[in-house]
Amino acid sequence: EPEVTQTPSHQVTQMGQEVILRCVPISNHLYFYWYRQILGQKVEFLVSFYNNEISEKSEIFDDQFSVERPDGSNFTLKIRSTKLEDSAMYFCASRGDRQGKTTDTQYFGPGTRLTVL
Amino acid sequence: LAKTTQPISMDSYEGQEVNITCSHNNIATNDYITWYQQFPSQGPRFIIQGYKTKVTNEVASLFIPADRKSSTLSLPRVSLSDTAVYYCLVGDTRDSSYKLIFGSGTRLLVRP
Repeated sequence: EPEVTQTPSHQVTQMGQEVILRCVPISNHLYFYWYRQILGQKVEFLVSFYNNEISEKSEIFDDQFSVERPDGSNFTLKIRSTKLEDSAMYFCASRGDRQGKTTDTQYFGPGTRLTVL
Repeated sequence: LAKTTQPISMDSYEGQEVNITCSHNNIATNDYITWYQQFPSQGPRFIIQGYKTKVTNEVASLFIPADRKSSTLSLPRVSLSDTAVYYCLVGDTRDSSYKLIFGSGTRLLVRP
């Protein structure tokens, strides 16, 4: 069964450093997402991406964040200058575009645990 | 996006059937109801999705009354490994800007 993969599983970084979190969405999917979950809190939407551009972003997704699909398979989230409060699990998700179908499900990756020291 | 309300927690025992009900009074005509399961430190896992009446798959059933203002996730004969947080979400899955807005979910604890 196809699945979303994410690397690394755990990233430890110093405050102020840049990090890049990587995701490989399900191969025939067209919509891509990043969510985050701070320990003990809700899963929060960060950004959606379609047709090589951001479709929507939340208030959390400020200028420190960027997303990219550098090739046909990877989808990355970059945090330019990490802060302590960026420590969280980051989940990538993807969904297909089945025109004419009545359902369309987002599938999540296993997550990257980001720890900012 | 329609707001959902579900119990904060539920307890059950192995082998029992568990029903988790979710209220979504403001569900829109084009909205679908989707349930996810999440284990600690893992990504949400899709369980089931439906629009009306009843949907069943290999892990769960979803019951949706005619007015669609609520839905019930039914887990038959739960095991210890079903201990997790269960989220009910509604939205127009065909919308190009469809995103998932998670609530606090229902923490299900299955006891031996």
